[in-house]
Amino acid sequence: DAKTTQPPSMDCAEGRAANLPCNHSTISGNEYVYWYRQIHSQGPQYIIHGLKNNETNEMASLIITEDRKSSTLILPHATLRDTAVYYCIVNTDSWGKLQFGAGTQVVVTP
Amino acid sequence: ETGVTQSPTHLIKTRGQQVTLRCSSQSGHNTVSWYQQALGQGPQFIFQYYREEENGRGNFPPRFSGLQFPNYSSELNVNALELDDSALYLCASSGRGRTSTEAFFGQGTRLTVV
Repeated sequence: DAKTTQPPSMDCAEGRAANLPCNHSTISGNEYVYWYRQIHSQGPQYIIHGLKNNETNEMASLIITEDRKSSTLILPHATLRDTAVYYCIVNTDSWGKLQFGAGTQVVVTP
Repeated sequence: ETGVTQSPTHLIKTRGQQVTLRCSSQSGHNTVSWYQQALGQGPQFIFQYYREEENGRGNFPPRFSGLQFPNYSSELNVNALELDDSALYLCASSGRGRTSTEAFFGQGTRLTVV
């Protein structure tokens, strides 16, 4: 079973920030938090990952709580192309043994 | 474009048949992982190959087998196909190093078993 809990769906208005929550209360000290997304009919795409510090890249920001039991992925200015299923994954193995859950279906509307 | 290519893109097979799916990993990546994604679900890890050796396996029966070649490309073989094997099969390649890295996925092979 996946080690994370995410809401099944959420809507976001185009141009607004999308904040995607993830709970991982049983995370171990050496486990990273990864985010991937899957646009319909495509393979999953890496977004960002972190251990305990907040991270930012050109796609998104990752905020991890101090106790590491939850995190939030932030898409700062959502576009229609951000409509996808977003997966939060905790993993020690950085080399592709990823345990996906059901993810959050994000729909960005005009 | 991730540099990971899978073939074929679509395939229809009959129950009981065997199938081989292929994956070319991204240049410089020596690790390939395979996933099965049923409709409406997240991908499920099948197994991983590192330097031509199986390096971890998910909860899949032995009729799911694989190979990795010296150029790090890989095959997934499924024997005695069942209707429930109908799914999108994804291949992901990744590198290895001290720091955590991401996996790069191909577009997948859509297998339909009738």
